[in-house]
Amino acid sequence: RKEVEQDPGPFNVPEGATVAFNCTYSNSASQSFFWYRQDCRKEPKLLMSVYSSGNEDGRFTAQLNRASQYISLLIRDSKLSDSATYLCVVNMDNFNKFYFGSGTKLNVKP
Amino acid sequence: DGGITQSPKYLFRKEGQNVTLSCEQNLNHDAMYWYRQDPGQGLRLIYYSQIVNDFQKGDIAEGYSVSREKKESFPLTVTSAQKNPTAFYLCASSTTGGYGYTFGSGTRLTVV
Repeated sequence: RKEVEQDPGPFNVPEGATVAFNCTYSNSASQSFFWYRQDCRKEPKLLMSVYSSGNEDGRFTAQLNRASQYISLLIRDSKLSDSATYLCVVNMDNFNKFYFGSGTKLNVKP
Repeated sequence: DGGITQSPKYLFRKEGQNVTLSCEQNLNHDAMYWYRQDPGQGLRLIYYSQIVNDFQKGDIAEGYSVSREKKESFPLTVTSAQKNPTAFYLCASSTTGGYGYTFGSGTRLTVV
C-alpha cells in the first residue's frame, strides 16, 4: 500500500464550480500535512498547510480527518487558472522526510 | 532574493555516462533533498541531507550518489548503474524542522 494515495483524476469542471479532492495516508503517526500545486512541467509550489482544526485561504479550504486518515481540499468558484495537478504531502517518519501523493489533475473549463 | 537554483534545466545523457545535477540554495536551510518524478507519478525521494557531510538514502537511491560538502550545495550524480534515468529531477530544501519546504525549478534528464 502506498504511503499517500490520491485519485489521479482528471476532474473536469466548469468555471465557477466547487470541487473537492481527498487524499488518504497510511501512517497514523503522521504529523504534518500539506497541499502543493504543480503546473505542467514545473516544480510543485506550496498551496497551503493543513491544520487539525481545518483552515481556509480565500477560495481554498483544507481539512484533516485523523480518525479516517485523510485530508481534503475544497476549491470554491473555480477559475481557469486553478487548472493544475494538486499534490497531497504528508510528513511521516520525522520532520525531514515527506511523502508525496501522485497528484490529482484538475481541468477547469470555460 | 533567497531561493534554490537547479542547473541545467535540460540535460541529455548518453548510455553509460555519469552526469551531475547541480542544486544550490541561499536560504540558509540545513536540510536538502533530491526527488525524481516520472510522468503521471508522484515524487519519489532519492537522497536527503540534514547537515553538512551527512546524507541518507531515500526510497530509490540505487544508481545515484550525492555529496554535501557545503551547506548551500547538494549535487546529485546519476551514474551508469541507474538503468532508467530519464525523468524530471527536483531538488528541495527546508529548515531542520521541515519548515519552508522549497523546490528548485527542476532538471529534465533524457537518455539519448
